[in-house]
Amino acid sequence: EAGVTQFPSHSVIEKGQTVTLRCDPISGHDNLYWYRRVMGKEIKFLLHFVKESKQDESGMPNNRFLAERTGGTYSTLKVQPAELEDSGVYFCASSSDILGTQYFGPGTRLLVL
Amino acid sequence: ILNVEQSPQSLHVQEGDSTNFTCSFPSSNFYALHWYRWETAKSPEALFVMTLNGDEKKKGRISATLNTKEGYSYLYIKGSQPEDSATYLCAFSPQNFVFGPGTRLSVLP
Repeated sequence: EAGVTQFPSHSVIEKGQTVTLRCDPISGHDNLYWYRRVMGKEIKFLLHFVKESKQDESGMPNNRFLAERTGGTYSTLKVQPAELEDSGVYFCASSSDILGTQYFGPGTRLLVL
Repeated sequence: ILNVEQSPQSLHVQEGDSTNFTCSFPSSNFYALHWYRWETAKSPEALFVMTLNGDEKKKGRISATLNTKEGYSYLYIKGSQPEDSATYLCAFSPQNFVFGPGTRLSVLP
């Protein structure tokens, strides 16, 4: 069974540009989560999808971040326009149950210059 | 604001030593406590999901206990090996995950 995959693995962009991150969850997992880890700090929750619906987006830092999960399969996280403080590792995770084990992807390392 | 703490922040042990570390979390509105093992440049790997007070889970040389009334969980590693070197994260789940800062374990051969 394939795990959670994320694309790209790394992204280097300039301040003001747009970046779109993609996450493919484990097949059949209705729950999909986005997290971010800024250097030296804890992993922080961003948002949670149940199928295509946003269950909780309380962790989204501001309206420059837009997450979608059309069709309830893969998800995208767009940052527009990117700022320096958006640099970090963006993880995606999926689970079959809301409170069950979350399986993490390898992360996308974003660097905004 | 929910706060999850882990101690110690980092730990160096010799191969063969047993060790343990702590995760502290709010004791109210408890749903689940998760432990993850996270190696540098890899994704966090799930170790345990614990939901009931008094839960004890074991996976090989690693085990964990849970006390929801006082808000803590212990992770134990018996006979540490160099491949156990990683950051061990706990995540508290009232609804969505709140991660602790992790305990960074280094096992010296």
